[in-house]
Amino acid sequence: GAVVSQHPSWVICKSGTSVKIECRSLDFQATTMFWYRQFPKQSLMLMATSNEGSKATYEQGVEKDKFLINHASLTLSTLTVTSAHPEDSSFYICSARTTGENTEAFFGQGTRLTVV
Amino acid sequence: AQSVTQPDIHITVSEGASLELRCNYSYGATPYLFWYVQSPGQGLQLLLKYFSGDTLVQGIKGFEAEFKRSQSSFNLRKPSVHWSDAAEYFCAVGGVGTDKLIFGTGTRLQVFP
Repeated sequence: GAVVSQHPSWVICKSGTSVKIECRSLDFQATTMFWYRQFPKQSLMLMATSNEGSKATYEQGVEKDKFLINHASLTLSTLTVTSAHPEDSSFYICSARTTGENTEAFFGQGTRLTVV
Repeated sequence: AQSVTQPDIHITVSEGASLELRCNYSYGATPYLFWYVQSPGQGLQLLLKYFSGDTLVQGIKGFEAEFKRSQSSFNLRKPSVHWSDAAEYFCAVGGVGTDKLIFGTGTRLQVFP
């Protein structure tokens, strides 16, 4: 299957700082990328959907000014957690897919964010 | 409302035993159904998917799942579990014309030797 690389795998930051997480599709062009958040022992909650070259679509309850998503190219999307707080600590996972029917989404390995 | 229910939060089986993980969905349109596996601290790996056609689908690692429209179910099965199958399993549903996947809460599988 296709490979989606997420970086970093884990990050610790101080409250009030911003953190950027990268999601790259290594061997295919990802017209659509998704960002999920997963709390401990819980399921994945979709945060936003981004299409290359356009603004991301955020799910209800997700603060777009806090979770900035950029999808500037067909192989890269970034999620920036701005002014991070301890409650933003979580596991963030991206996925990417190409256009067309019946295409599956491939997931990155996730990023563990800890805000102290 | 669109939702996925995985009734079993935690399942424990002995190595070599058969396994069935339950998944029920509620979806207003023709569903696309998926099973993913997640090892601790890792992303998700697709085990299998159902879009159309044969309702019994084969996946990787010896897993299979059966789509039963009348029961709104997509249960995952494996005839003989290996210790390496211990992980978290997620069922998900999506639809034609939508990119969104709705995930169940997951089932944690523990395998005893």
